[in-house]
Amino acid sequence: ILNVEQSPQSLHVQEGDSTNFTCSFPSSNFYALHWYRWETAKSPEALFVMTLNGDEKKKGRISATLNTKEGYSYLYIKGSQPEDSATYLCAYANQAGTALIFGKGTTLSVSS
Amino acid sequence: GAVVSQHPSRVICKSGTSVKIECRSLDFQATTMFWYRQFPKQSLMLMATSNEGSKATYEQGVEKDKFLINHASLTLSTLTVTSAHPEDSSFYICSARDSGSGNTGELFFGEGSRLTVL
Repeated sequence: ILNVEQSPQSLHVQEGDSTNFTCSFPSSNFYALHWYRWETAKSPEALFVMTLNGDEKKKGRISATLNTKEGYSYLYIKGSQPEDSATYLCAYANQAGTALIFGKGTTLSVSS
Repeated sequence: GAVVSQHPSRVICKSGTSVKIECRSLDFQATTMFWYRQFPKQSLMLMATSNEGSKATYEQGVEKDKFLINHASLTLSTLTVTSAHPEDSSFYICSARDSGSGNTGELFFGEGSRLTVL
């Protein structure tokens, strides 16, 4: 059974705080790691697709790192804003073209 | 960005009836679509992979005769929950990958369908 674990399950921060979440996945047979942001009543939207060990990607105030040898990825949000409030999903693929295996997500709430 | 439209967004039905959920890729072609189901506080769980022009591939434990999937065109996949029962009440969501984006391409999701079976 392939498990993707995310932590924390939820967290609440104040506007302006920086935060990070963790995603762990099987380190064997790695193909790709995806991060999605899922806002309430909307569709999940892709943030990053990462494939290379040591990869680091950035989109505005959000960045992610990848360690395929030890099987983890971090998502960082710098200077959180209320509009960052969402559930952040991590998903793993062990082969090309296969479906993604999702974690339960980390739900972030940012107060102004 | 690419758009996937899914409807209905919410459906309530009586036990024993069938419900059809549609998933359309509006501005791209999707050879493959994925159907996921999410129970409260759980992760998105893959139910089946829908392949255009061929039979769907179902995950272990998912009854193919109960969850009928049809992918008749490159832009439309449907999931029919047949003879629905209260335990089928869940959140169903489809996703697709642009056929031209390669195997590491991001997934584009529908808005999801909340099914409640009375």
